[in-house]
Amino acid sequence: AQSVTQLGSHVSVSEGALVLLRCNYSSSVPPYLFWYVQYPNQGLQLLLKYTTGATLVKGINGFEAEFKKSETSFHLTKPSAHMSDAAEYFCAVSEDSNYQLIWGAGTKLIIKP
Amino acid sequence: EAQVTQNPRYLITVTGKKLTVTCSQNMNHEYMSWYRQDPGLGLRQIYYSMNVEVTDKGDVPEGYKVSRKEKRNFPLILESPSPNQTSLYFCASSPRTVPSYEQYFGPGTRLTVT
Repeated sequence: AQSVTQLGSHVSVSEGALVLLRCNYSSSVPPYLFWYVQYPNQGLQLLLKYTTGATLVKGINGFEAEFKKSETSFHLTKPSAHMSDAAEYFCAVSEDSNYQLIWGAGTKLIIKP
Repeated sequence: EAQVTQNPRYLITVTGKKLTVTCSQNMNHEYMSWYRQDPGLGLRQIYYSMNVEVTDKGDVPEGYKVSRKEKRNFPLILESPSPNQTSLYFCASSPRTVPSYEQYFGPGTRLTVT
């Protein structure tokens, strides 16, 4: 069965520092991979997704993620954190055989001034 | 503006009092879904619908009902709410019933059952 693991329920970085949020998945077939962001008191919005093709995917607000099949990972990065990046980030996966999104538990990103 | 709307945004109710949370999308999406979000558990799917009159259970359907009589609306019904249904609920829709398409989320409904 598919599963998604996000390492760290909370990640704290200083403003201007590199952001790295980890996501590992289990899937027996090529997956579709998503990162969503949830700002306080808001719904979720898509940050970026991988379906096919280039394994480095760029998203909104300067975020990007790289699909590494050998490591079954889809880590989210941003070179320089801004205070406005403080939010909760969710990794999700789906497959052709399963229409449903499988979600990670989420990682709350805290930005220190 | 393309959006998913939910009402109400906040609801406090008592055990056993039936309630309905409405969800509507104006994007002509075939797929709609309800999730609940609880701390440390991520999002768990309650029910989903691939099209009008087609609904199916997600991971945590107990205590909930849904209907899809029109393409744009997908209400969530709690016939007899209990305190363990206190949660943050999200409705989502997607333009295609294929897994590579992103889902669009409503703003959420925070439900408290006392």
